[in-house]
Amino acid sequence: EAGVVQSPRYKIIEKKQPVAFWCNPISGHNTLYWYLQNLGQGPELLIRYENEEAVDDSQLPKDRFSAERLKGVDSTLKIQPAELGDSAVYLCASRPGPAGNTGELFFGEGSRLTVL
Amino acid sequence: AQTVTQSQPEMSVQEAETVTLSCTYDTSESNYYLFWYKQPPSRQMILVIRQEAYKQQNATENRFSVNFQKAAKSFSLKISDSQLGDTAMYFCAFTPTSGTYKYIFGTGTRLKVLA
Repeated sequence: EAGVVQSPRYKIIEKKQPVAFWCNPISGHNTLYWYLQNLGQGPELLIRYENEEAVDDSQLPKDRFSAERLKGVDSTLKIQPAELGDSAVYLCASRPGPAGNTGELFFGEGSRLTVL
Repeated sequence: AQTVTQSQPEMSVQEAETVTLSCTYDTSESNYYLFWYKQPPSRQMILVIRQEAYKQQNATENRFSVNFQKAAKSFSLKISDSQLGDTAMYFCAFTPTSGTYKYIFGTGTRLKVLA
């Protein structure tokens, strides 16, 4: 079974440029999370989807960040324009629905963003 | 507010020795999960061990075990017979099972196993 897939693994951009990250969760996982991980820190939630609905986006900086999960499967996280402080790792994670839920979150390898 | 605190930013242990990583949390929830995740230098986080709050028995997974003290809101991880491959960041995490499943992570403990 394929795990959570993220791309790109690495991205270097100039400040004020746009950037997008893509995530494909494990097949059948209804819940998808985007986390921000700064160097040496734990993940911090940006947004959580239940199928195609964003049920928790309270910590998403909506002036520059946006996300979508149109068909309730894969998801895209966008930053426009990027700022120096956005340099971090963006993690995607997924969890199955109630029937298969053990509480475990499954993570992708992350997308490391460097803003110059 | 729900919080997870890991007070040991870095630790080291000799190969084959035992090490304990500390974690405390704060919540008003009665039903929840606690986790320890491992993040090797390649960055993908993997689950080490999981504890359901309603279970009094401490979870164990091979060389990994926890000491879950619900009243004290403490959840420590013990790694026995440490191996070089255990070198990683370890994150303690919490989520209520009330339906929100909002996972809260600690700041992590960097563990280095020395040969």
